[in-house]
Amino acid sequence: DAGITQSPRHKVTETGTPVTLRCHQTENHRYMYWYRQDPGHGLRLIHYSYGVKDTDKGEVSDGYSVSRSKTEDFLLTLESATSSQTSVYFCAIRVGQNPSYEQYFGPGTRLTVT
Amino acid sequence: DAKTTQPNSMESNEEEPVHLPCNHSTISGTDYIHWYRQLPSQGPEYVIHGLTSNVNNRMASLAIAEDRKSSTLILHRATLRDAAVYYCMYQNNAGNMLTFGGGTRLMVKP
Repeated sequence: DAGITQSPRHKVTETGTPVTLRCHQTENHRYMYWYRQDPGHGLRLIHYSYGVKDTDKGEVSDGYSVSRSKTEDFLLTLESATSSQTSVYFCAIRVGQNPSYEQYFGPGTRLTVT
Repeated sequence: DAKTTQPNSMESNEEEPVHLPCNHSTISGTDYIHWYRQLPSQGPEYVIHGLTSNVNNRMASLAIAEDRKSSTLILHRATLRDAAVYYCMYQNNAGNMLTFGGGTRLMVKP
């Protein structure tokens, strides 16, 4: 257990509404990641953070923004949710130094956009 | 893109060894090879990683080919709890993120 929690665990929202997902870690790791997982696509990186206020885009960042105002929290915001953003979202932390490291994942948030 | 090739699925009998192959022909000399697995309804779980030498830990062994273009994850005695999707990957060029491929779904028969 790497001390990662995600909230909420399940959410149903309507198209066009903003949604914020939270990832919380208890071990002060510098790197944090947001992935989405969809059938047929595996896990795809949305955004990642390499420190407080330091973030960068991943492979599928359109329609998403992130913020990291403190080490322990990494927020993912869907600015205006669309049905294509229905997915399971996983947060992860990085343990170890580049290039030899491991990622540990949270339990996931299942988001349904109707 | 850090692409790998794995069989879509494999089957094993309980308590027998399992060898899960992965091809990564475009890997560069400094990229570590990573393996993760995902049990149903859970987040991915770290299994093992390595650079050149074979690696062992409490979960599995990783055998890396001499040319590093392929690797094999070895579960020494499969249990029913090992039924999962196993992902092989390596870092992208920036070295700070992993790219997950399709993975191999391992089924374990009692």
